[in-house]
Amino acid sequence: DQQVKQNSPSLSVQEGRISILNCDYTNSMFDYFLWYKKYPAEGPTFLISISSIKDKNEDGRFTVFLNKSAKHLSLHIVPSQPGDSAVYFCAANSLSNAGKSTFGDGTTLTVKP
Amino acid sequence: ETGVTQSPTHLIKTRGQQVTLRCSSQSGHNTVSWYQQALGQGPQFIFQYYREEENGRGNFPPRFSGLQFPNYSSELNVNALELDDSALYLCASSQTPGQGLLKFFGPGTRLTVL
Repeated sequence: DQQVKQNSPSLSVQEGRISILNCDYTNSMFDYFLWYKKYPAEGPTFLISISSIKDKNEDGRFTVFLNKSAKHLSLHIVPSQPGDSAVYFCAANSLSNAGKSTFGDGTTLTVKP
Repeated sequence: ETGVTQSPTHLIKTRGQQVTLRCSSQSGHNTVSWYQQALGQGPQFIFQYYREEENGRGNFPPRFSGLQFPNYSSELNVNALELDDSALYLCASSQTPGQGLLKFFGPGTRLTVL
């Protein structure tokens, strides 16, 4: 049973437009959520996180939205740039054990010039 | 910051062999977590070590074992390798199990089992 799901394996957007990546989870005990970006042959790079007590967190071009009632989070990238092309993973944590993250299977974002 | 490093970068083994992967944690981080990422999937939690003791384990068999050393380095050992063990193995460090989200991953070791 996959507790964190990213239902879109891929997403293609035009440079300058908004990219929206989605993630759903089933475990209501998760209290922290993270987004990572991953290039081939590299480890995941942390992008942005959000606590379950918030519904929005913003960092530059990246904004994460959390809808606890729907158990859904999304990452918005505005404006999208070709360098954003990568695989994006969402992950969920319980703060009692921050080292154990449950990851989705990723969404491959392609930003076309 | 020294970052998280892993060695080797790539490794090829045959079924039944044993392998040791190494990780050097971020300076000051005494918690290390290991993940397996199979092709097309997200990373899966193998186990975590805190102060040289295993502190949580995912759904992996006992032939996956680890060690953590006082100098912020750690090892992942896999015995009796199977074809399905072919994956990217990632380590990540954090300050303590209850603090410090996993913001620092190493580049990974790509293991191929033939």
